[in-house]
Amino acid sequence: EVQLVDSGGGLVQPGGSLRLSCAASGFPFSSYAMSWVRQAPGKGLEWVSGISGSGGRTYYADSVKGRVTVSRDNSKDTLYLQMNDLRDEDTAAYYCGKLSADFGDHFDSWGQGTQVIVSS
Amino acid sequence: SYGLTQPPSVSVSPGQTASITCSGDKLEDKYISWYHQKPGQSPVLVIYEDNRRPSGIPERFSGSNSGNTATLTISGTQATDESTYYCQVWDSRTAWVFGGGTKLTVL
Repeated sequence: EVQLVDSGGGLVQPGGSLRLSCAASGFPFSSYAMSWVRQAPGKGLEWVSGISGSGGRTYYADSVKGRVTVSRDNSKDTLYLQMNDLRDEDTAAYYCGKLSADFGDHFDSWGQGTQVIVSS
Repeated sequence: SYGLTQPPSVSVSPGQTASITCSGDKLEDKYISWYHQKPGQSPVLVIYEDNRRPSGIPERFSGSNSGNTATLTISGTQATDESTYYCQVWDSRTAWVFGGGTKLTVL
């Protein structure tokens, strides 16, 4: 059974940093692209970043480009999102999502989400 | 950047058919996926590649995609289907794109 466990969220001041993690199990992690999707309070889903199975290709939404870095450690079956220069508008629940393949166009499994609150 | 447009809300009576639309430029040239999300929960895939159902998703969920509009159809809608539904595609310029979401109310 595929399992994705998101962690690392918390309360951070504007301009601060956080690193989110997503621990994966139940599937050959390095064979699948992974992604981060966020949801601001009361809003819809917003794709944030994606990474290929090998880690060689990365993708970022314009709203976070230059401030976040996606990475993965295939030896640890873990996905990361390093977030810097955080802004109020980054406040959201962050979900990791497993893509359907390497390179997949849809998300077939999701983590439970981790909450990021940016506030002074 | 590529955009997807969904109606904010749709209402349906129990047992009737609910249709939720998603519009985008030349949408039929892309594969569309649909997810539902209940408050406080993670999204769940219900349709992928326009009209394919993942294992465990009831047959009453179906999808179509033609022209600039894709449709998620729920036949014999049940109270448990009340949720917010999101469409999603992959675009070569914008990467993964979600629609704004449609709240389905079963009255």
